[in-house]
Amino acid sequence: EVHLLESGGGLVQPGGSLRLSCAASGFTFSSYAMSWVRQTPGKGLEWVSVISGSGGSTFYADSVKGRFTISRDKSKSTLYLQMNSLRAEDTAVYYCAKSASGDYFDYWGQGTLVTVSS
Amino acid sequence: QLVLTQSPSASASLGASVKLTCTLSSGHSSYAIAWHQQQPEKGPRYLMKLNSDGSHSKGDGIPDRFSGSSSGPERYLTISSLQSEDEADYYCQTWGTGTPYVFGTGTKVTIL
Repeated sequence: EVHLLESGGGLVQPGGSLRLSCAASGFTFSSYAMSWVRQTPGKGLEWVSVISGSGGSTFYADSVKGRFTISRDKSKSTLYLQMNSLRAEDTAVYYCAKSASGDYFDYWGQGTLVTVSS
Repeated sequence: QLVLTQSPSASASLGASVKLTCTLSSGHSSYAIAWHQQQPEKGPRYLMKLNSDGSHSKGDGIPDRFSGSSSGPERYLTISSLQSEDEADYYCQTWGTGTPYVFGTGTKVTIL
């Protein structure tokens, strides 16, 4: 059974940094692209970043490009999101999601809340 | 530009059916989409991938009450025999070359 468990969220001041983690189990981690998707409280879903199964390719939404870095550790079956220069508008629940075959998401985590506020 | 349009809300009575619509932007009518369900205070759950010809593949454990169909640029999700746990937000999602992943704005389903 596939499980995705996010951690690392919390309260951070504007301009600060935070690293999110997503522990994966139940599938061959290195065989699938993984994404981060966020949801502002009471709003819809916004894709943030994706990394290929090998880790060799990454893409970012324009809203986070240059500030966020996605990475993965095959040995730990863990996905990461390093978030720097955080802004109030980055406040959201962050979900990790597994790509079925590089297109749609077939499994989601339960999310971790990031609040950017002074 | 690849955009998905959804109505903000839909409602139906317990035991009835509801049909949700997701419309692909002009020039993208052949794209497949995925439907996701988000129950209150929970993470999203993948329901199905829906192709332009109406064929679809469901996620693990998704009941037969959930079905999909397509017509031109429109992708539909039909929920039959509505149950209380079906009260949720439903998002469509697609993928493209310019923006890897795109979500619709979601439809909130209310059980009357």
